[in-house]
Amino acid sequence: DTAVSQTPKYLVTQMGNDKSIKCEQNLGHDTMYWYKQDSKKFLKIMFSYNNKELIINETVPNRFSPKSPDKAHLNLHINSLELGDSAVYFCASSQGLRLAEETQYFGPGTRLLVL
Amino acid sequence: KQEVTQIPAALSVPEGENLVLNCSFTDSAIYNLQWFRQDPGKGLTSLLLIQSSQREQTSGRLNASLDKSSGRSTLYIAASQPGDSATYLCAVRPVETGGFKTIFGAGTRLFVKA
Repeated sequence: DTAVSQTPKYLVTQMGNDKSIKCEQNLGHDTMYWYKQDSKKFLKIMFSYNNKELIINETVPNRFSPKSPDKAHLNLHINSLELGDSAVYFCASSQGLRLAEETQYFGPGTRLLVL
Repeated sequence: KQEVTQIPAALSVPEGENLVLNCSFTDSAIYNLQWFRQDPGKGLTSLLLIQSSQREQTSGRLNASLDKSSGRSTLYIAASQPGDSATYLCAVRPVETGGFKTIFGAGTRLFVKA
């Protein structure tokens, strides 16, 4: 069983298009995250959600809109895609109860290429 | 502002060698420090998590230490194997953001030669 899953695994699209990436976790966790890993492999937090509430928005352009329909899902919608959005996007989750002790579990990533 | 630095950026060693990866962070107010492994084209796998009150954690051939006051952590890998080849990422969870934000270093790319 996959703990944190993402779809699609690969996404190739044209500039200006709107796309979505889905994330689901079956761990019963309360907290979910989106990260962006750029071409230099640097991993940066984009959003943190706890119990479906947005906690952290790390100055991400408002073209990016996360949506959490329930605690097990955190989807990422991207409008008007730009070349600079090309990256690998990782979803992660953690229990959300004892932050000092918690491990984050990562999905396999979605490789987005904007042409 | 919390920053995490990892040295070296890349490392190539022969099989069997013991090695140390370094991580430093600028703000000691953290909940924990975590070491991850990332294989090419894959997600991250957690290796070790050290809470701020702890000094070290061990798992098999891996040992991670934390010196919060000096803002340093090391990951020690004993008797390295080709299967250890991967990128190793260090990450801290700052107190200032309520623990909901994790700051990653740029990683150390390790290649273990058979």
